[in-house]
Amino acid sequence: GAGVSQSPSNKVTEKGKDVELRCDPISGHTALYWYRQSLGQGLEFLIYFQGNSAPDKSGLPSDRFSAERTGGSVSTLTIQRTQQEDSAVYLCASSNRDRDTQYFGPGTRLTVL
Amino acid sequence: QKEVEQNSGPLSVPEGAIASLNCTYSDRGSQSFFWYRQYSGKSPELIMSIYSNGDKEDGRFTAQLNKASQYVSLLIRDSQPSDSATYLCAVGLSGYSTLTFGKGTMLLVSP
Repeated sequence: GAGVSQSPSNKVTEKGKDVELRCDPISGHTALYWYRQSLGQGLEFLIYFQGNSAPDKSGLPSDRFSAERTGGSVSTLTIQRTQQEDSAVYLCASSNRDRDTQYFGPGTRLTVL
Repeated sequence: QKEVEQNSGPLSVPEGAIASLNCTYSDRGSQSFFWYRQYSGKSPELIMSIYSNGDKEDGRFTAQLNKASQYVSLLIRDSQPSDSATYLCAVGLSGYSTLTFGKGTMLLVSP
C-alpha cells in the first residue's frame, strides 16, 4: 500500500516568506508527527497529532511555526516569516492504533536564502 | 527530560563481521524501542521494534533489550557494504506517545 507522502520534495524560499509543507499519512493511521532534521543532526520533534487534535506541540521552536490536520488525514506545517535557521529537512511520520511504530515520509528539504 | 544516547561513531567493520550498535535511555517508564536506518539524504526506515526484555531476531538483525540496565542494542550479522548508514535508536513511553530519538550511530562497512 501507499506510504507516507510529503510535498513538495524541495522548497527554496526567500527569508521572510511564508511556506506550507504538506503530509499525507498512511491510510487509517490516526497519529501523525512532524520532525525536522538539520544537516548532520538528529531528529528534532516538532508536533504530534492524534486525529485532528494536537496533544503535544512542545517541539514547535517559535510562534512562527504552526500545524493543522483536517479530517484526521492530511496535515500542513506552516512556517511564517522564514529565517535562514529554518533550513532543514522536514519529516512527517504516521502510526496506527495498535503500535506506536512510526513510518516516515520522504521529507521536504527547505532552503531559506 | 527523556534522553536517548548513542555513540555517534563512525563504527567501522569489515564486510562479513558483526556490527554492534548500542543505545541507552533515561526514562525507566519507556516501553517501546525501535531501530531505524537512515541512508544519507533519505528518511529513516524501520529496521526493528522490541517491547520485551531479551532478544528479537529478524534475518541478519537482532535487537536486544535490557530494561533493568536501560539499554537496547542492535546486532547486524554478516555486515554488508549496503548496511553502511546511520542507525537511529528511538524510545517511546506507550502507544500514541511521541518517540525520543538518539542522534544516531554511523556505521561503515568496508568491502
